[in-house]
Amino acid sequence: EPEVTQTPSHQVTQMGQEVILRCVPISNHLYFYWYRQILGQKVEFLVSFYNNEISEKSEIFDDQFSVERPDGSNFTLKIRSTKLEDSAMYFCASSESKVPNYGYTFGSGTRLTVV
Amino acid sequence: GEDVEQSLFLSVREGDSSVINCTYTDSSSTYLYWYKQEPGAGLQLLTYIFSNMDMKQDQRLTVLLNKKDKHLSLRIADTQTGDSAIYFCAADTGRRALTFGSGTRLQVQP
Repeated sequence: EPEVTQTPSHQVTQMGQEVILRCVPISNHLYFYWYRQILGQKVEFLVSFYNNEISEKSEIFDDQFSVERPDGSNFTLKIRSTKLEDSAMYFCASSESKVPNYGYTFGSGTRLTVV
Repeated sequence: GEDVEQSLFLSVREGDSSVINCTYTDSSSTYLYWYKQEPGAGLQLLTYIFSNMDMKQDQRLTVLLNKKDKHLSLRIADTQTGDSAIYFCAADTGRRALTFGSGTRLQVQP
């Protein structure tokens, strides 16, 4: 069964450093997403991406965040200057359409720890 | 915007049925999903229901949708210890990807 792959599975970084979280969505999917889950809290929407541009973003997705699809397969989330409160599990997801008939496929997540 | 609420914890005995409940606020939600998250793992899509359906059955899973009350439930028949996990309800209005509930932790006692 096709999978969304995320790397690394765990990243530890110092406050103020830049991190890049990587995702390989399912190959025939067109819509890509990032979500995050702070420990013990809800899974929160960050951003959606379609046709090489951001289609929607939440209030959380401020200027320190950016997304990119640098080639035909990877989808990345960059956090420019990490803060302690950025510590969370970050999930990438993809779908074949905007309101997919078969749901969104999520990766296993990257646990980001900012120290 | 959409808000999705779930109870936080459910404990059942192995072999019993589990019923996990969810309420949502946006009546234009098109699809409603149930995801399962095991410790340290990602979000696994379990099942979903389209808003024009009242019920969907998939092996041990039964989803009931009451659109009038904006209430969704997931019933797991013959619950096993391997079903122990956090179950997330999520709603899709077509405007902003998915809105998740807080998750219900299901504990299955042997």
